[in-house]
Amino acid sequence: GENVEQHPSTLSVQEGDSAVIKCTYSDSASNYFPWYKQELGKGPQLIIDIRSNVGEKKDQRIAVTLNKTAKHFSLHITETQPEDSAVYFCAVGSRAGTALIFGKGTTLSVSS
Amino acid sequence: DGGITQSPKYLFRKEGQNVTLSCEQNLNHDAMYWYRQDPGQGLRLIYYSQIVNDFQKGDIAEGYSVSREKKESFPLTVTSAQKNPTAFYLCASSIRVDSEMNTEAFFGQGTRLTVV
Repeated sequence: GENVEQHPSTLSVQEGDSAVIKCTYSDSASNYFPWYKQELGKGPQLIIDIRSNVGEKKDQRIAVTLNKTAKHFSLHITETQPEDSAVYFCAVGSRAGTALIFGKGTTLSVSS
Repeated sequence: DGGITQSPKYLFRKEGQNVTLSCEQNLNHDAMYWYRQDPGQGLRLIYYSQIVNDFQKGDIAEGYSVSREKKESFPLTVTSAQKNPTAFYLCASSIRVDSEMNTEAFFGQGTRLTVV
């Protein structure tokens, strides 16, 4: 089955710096790559996603890049703010009728 | 407002007792999922259901059971056979589309189960 590796497990940055989180996957048939943000005691919320026919997608300060050949995708957050502090999860989806498989998460801390 | 409701938010049970976690959605989604979250382990899939009266085991189904009698509801029972039931449980739902593409999953706020 699909295996998703996420790195780093923790990331500390200064306010205004950029943060990058990377995930690798194993199933070449995977075609959907969402990123979720989870705040303490709450459920994860989608922040950005990308499909396999697109190499990059951007939404204000966040962007996701996908390298299908190398089977990895990354989340980029620019101009980080303290409210970006949270746990971030990558996930991978393949065909319809299956469930998303999640990475183990990255705890991002942004200090002011 | 449309969304997914999990109840209760906190649940305490004695060891050896079965307990049922509620998950209701009014998003008209066909697919529903249960994940378990432990520190450092990410979200691990317990069970999922694509349509009413049908469900499949995920990676860690042992010690759990589910039912899907209504489109809106997907309750999870943690049985006494689950060796380490204390965890944060998350329910999610998504639109089921007739294509090869997966879609966004919407999550509830979770239930924290503590077994003593």
